[in-house]
Amino acid sequence: QKEVEQNSGPLSVPEGAIASLNCTYSDRGSQSFFWYRQYSGKSPELIMSIYSNGDKEDGRFTAQLNKASQYVSLLIRDSQPSDSATYLCAALLGNDMRFGAGTRLTVKP
Amino acid sequence: DAGVIQSPRHEVTEMGQEVTLRCKPISGHNSLFWYRQTMMRGLELLIYFNNNVPIDDSGMPEDRFSAKMPNASFSTLKIQPSEPRDSAVYFCASSFLVGTGELFFGEGSRLTVL
Repeated sequence: QKEVEQNSGPLSVPEGAIASLNCTYSDRGSQSFFWYRQYSGKSPELIMSIYSNGDKEDGRFTAQLNKASQYVSLLIRDSQPSDSATYLCAALLGNDMRFGAGTRLTVKP
Repeated sequence: DAGVIQSPRHEVTEMGQEVTLRCKPISGHNSLFWYRQTMMRGLELLIYFNNNVPIDDSGMPEDRFSAKMPNASFSTLKIQPSEPRDSAVYFCASSFLVGTGELFFGEGSRLTVL
């Protein structure tokens, strides 16, 4: 079992819709969780971090964490074509950052 | 700041040849990470350094892979001898503080081994 699991997608949503990306992790010792965005042919870039249970909002992005269920999600409101990318979920255990395989999101105009 | 700088951006080589990938982290960052990304396996951590010292190299596939960080501003990842299955994009990333999770990635080195 991979330490961080994501649905590989692809996930396709129309412009203006809410995109919902999900992630589970296996190690309960993981303390911190992150969402990175990776455009095709580019490097990953950090867009959200979450450390405690509940929701964290940043503009159109909301990260949700449920440690009891070992579940992390990212909601993108009012999706734009520029949001089309692969979204990588990551979990930090100690000093070790582990990434999921990524979910490819396409936002159609 | 120039960001994390990697070279070469693209490398095509033949099986059996030595490959050296280079990385210059962001100035002031104490941690440096080497990742490999493929379609099949996603983004895999190979090794990371804290204050130039290798902390965890459990992700290094085998003895053909080695990494060094002789000073705070330079790291290398070497593959000798290279094999076709090593073909991937290799990313270097740096972080101001180990354990923060905020990694700044270089643009990657795309390696093709024929």
